[in-house]
Amino acid sequence: AQTVTQSQPEMSVQEAETVTLSCTYDTSESDYYLFWYKQPPSRQMILVIRQEAYKQQNATENRFSVNFQKAAKSFSLKISDSQLGDAAMYFCAYRSVEYGNKLVFGAGTILRVKS
Amino acid sequence: SQTIHQWPATLVQPVGSPLSLECTVEGTSNPNLYWYRQAAGRGLQLLFYSVGIGQISSEVPQNLSASRPQDRQFILSSKKLLLSDSGFYLCAWSVQLSGKLFFGEGSRLTVL
Repeated sequence: AQTVTQSQPEMSVQEAETVTLSCTYDTSESDYYLFWYKQPPSRQMILVIRQEAYKQQNATENRFSVNFQKAAKSFSLKISDSQLGDAAMYFCAYRSVEYGNKLVFGAGTILRVKS
Repeated sequence: SQTIHQWPATLVQPVGSPLSLECTVEGTSNPNLYWYRQAAGRGLQLLFYSVGIGQISSEVPQNLSASRPQDRQFILSSKKLLLSDSGFYLCAWSVQLSGKLFFGEGSRLTVL
């Protein structure tokens, strides 16, 4: 079974600075999807970014980018120019292509943004 | 556009009472549907997922059950709630074979 590990329970960043959230996963599959979701205090889950494992190029969405290291099974999220609105719980998630009906989530990382 | 709604938003129930949480998706057909639970300060645990009407896969054995009576309706139930059932329950949907998962607003259940 696939597992997702987020080793940082909590991170802090100064407004306008850059922060990186770590995520590692365990799988024997070669093709899969990886995601970062954001859960603000409203508890609504918001998709931040998606990476397809067969693509070598790292995904980017405005201030959010990932560092995808397939061999190391690492999928970190970099947030540039951090804003107060980025404060939230961030979840890393894995989805198999072959068994594509479910996402497996990590335990989450609380991100605090200091003004 | 697609929308997802789940209700009730907040529920306080005594131990041993039944539970019914409902989730409805609009604007799409034949979605994959999911129920997740998020315990306080913890990640998301997949409880059930469904790829079609009447098709339910259970991920965690427990006193909860799920049903999908219609294509875009997903119901989470229990006959007798336990204290450990307290948590934040999230319904979600995705397009078949797609990677993106879209979540509902969540339902906070407190079992006393």
